[in-house]
Amino acid sequence: ETGVTQSPTHLIKTRGQQVTLRCSSQSGHNTVSWYQQALGQGPQFIFQYYREEENGRGNFPPRFSGLQFPNYSSELNVNALELDDSALYLCASSRKGGNEQYFGPGTRLTVT
Amino acid sequence: GENVEQHPSTLSVQEGDSAVIKCTYSDSASNYFPWYKQELGKRPQLIIDIRSNVGEKKDQRIAVTLNKTAKHFSLHITETQPEDSAVYFCAASIGGVIYNQGGKLIFGQGTELSVKP
Repeated sequence: ETGVTQSPTHLIKTRGQQVTLRCSSQSGHNTVSWYQQALGQGPQFIFQYYREEENGRGNFPPRFSGLQFPNYSSELNVNALELDDSALYLCASSRKGGNEQYFGPGTRLTVT
Repeated sequence: GENVEQHPSTLSVQEGDSAVIKCTYSDSASNYFPWYKQELGKRPQLIIDIRSNVGEKKDQRIAVTLNKTAKHFSLHITETQPEDSAVYFCAASIGGVIYNQGGKLIFGQGTELSVKP
């Protein structure tokens, strides 16, 4: 098991609401990436944070936003939730300049 | 745009047989190719990776090969065991010193491997 943790484990929200997901990176890792994994599909890159700044973004709308804190932990915020946002949200931590990304257990978000 | 194609989508083998999963990538600048194993309800687990300056890498029963010219890479599992049953994902990224694109992983669609005892 990696040292990457995520909270909460599961979450149920209503369409139009806002949600915040949290991730703590593995010790020694300073970069956090967020991915969305829909059922039966591979993870899709949302964005990455390094030194508290966004360092690359995938094809996701601005209502997906994030933060990174001085201790390298990170948050993913999603505003105006849509039914299609229902998915497993994974964060992965890595070292700056390091290729290997290690995933947390994920947060299962259900939007009704 | 960037794309990774993975085949087959499902693969069923007998215990002890070999399994091969193949991926192709579109971005010729990709230089890092990891493979992840994801069991039902669990996180993707990094099982092996290869960099573009290497053609083959082995770790016990698992090996990965890379053909940069054809933009193909493959996962080989020998002497399969029931505990190898899972969904396997390939991915490609531009990482390391060329990190200005954020080192994002582009994943394939996944292969559901079933090893029958």
